[in-house]
Amino acid sequence: QITLKESGPTLVKPTQTLTLTCTFSGFSLSTSGVGVGWIRQPPGKALEWLALIYWNDDKRYSPSLKSRLTITKDTSKNQVVLTMTNMDPVDTATYYCAHFESSILWDWGQGTLVTVSS
Amino acid sequence: QSALTQPASVSGSPGQSITISCTGTSSDVGGYNYVSWYQQHPGKAPKLMIYDVSNRPSGVSNRFSGSKSGNTASLTISGLQAEDEADYYCSSYTSSSTLEVFGGGTKLTVL
Repeated sequence: QITLKESGPTLVKPTQTLTLTCTFSGFSLSTSGVGVGWIRQPPGKALEWLALIYWNDDKRYSPSLKSRLTITKDTSKNQVVLTMTNMDPVDTATYYCAHFESSILWDWGQGTLVTVSS
Repeated sequence: QSALTQPASVSGSPGQSITISCTGTSSDVGGYNYVSWYQQHPGKAPKLMIYDVSNRPSGVSNRFSGSKSGNTASLTISGLQAEDEADYYCSSYTSSSTLEVFGGGTKLTVL
């Protein structure tokens, strides 16, 4: 059984850096073809891709957010970390991590709501 | 503005069939058979319903089916049930970006 869970702060102030951790089980990020992605969803709005990291440490970022995002992995801990700098109220959203393989988001975490407010 | 275009809403009565469209370009939907559909109930995480245009993951009802014609993919739900009321998102591989792209989502109302 594959599970993923996001953790991190629920409230951040404008201009601060957000750090989110995805802890997963049931698959290995050292297996060829496997990736973990981060997707967010502002309240009442659509899903938006943020970043993706593959088993071989290949990293992909949303072109519009690339300058603010960093994704890393710790294979031994089964964790993927996403950092987003210079947070703004428009970044208020539920942030999801997901198991990714062959262009498919097979399994999702429950999501974590992050509010940006002073 | 999302890269893939979906209708904002669709509705149907229990037992009926509905179809949700997802329109892209030859750089995404039309060029590859890597279209997925996700169901999202309010307050819940999305759930994979269809992958690679028309394949169902284990455990997904066969009332859900997918297809593609040209630059438009479609999700059909037959024998509508109240539990099908949710938001549905399509996603596709794209050659014009480093990441997959989502549609804007479609709210399905079961009347």
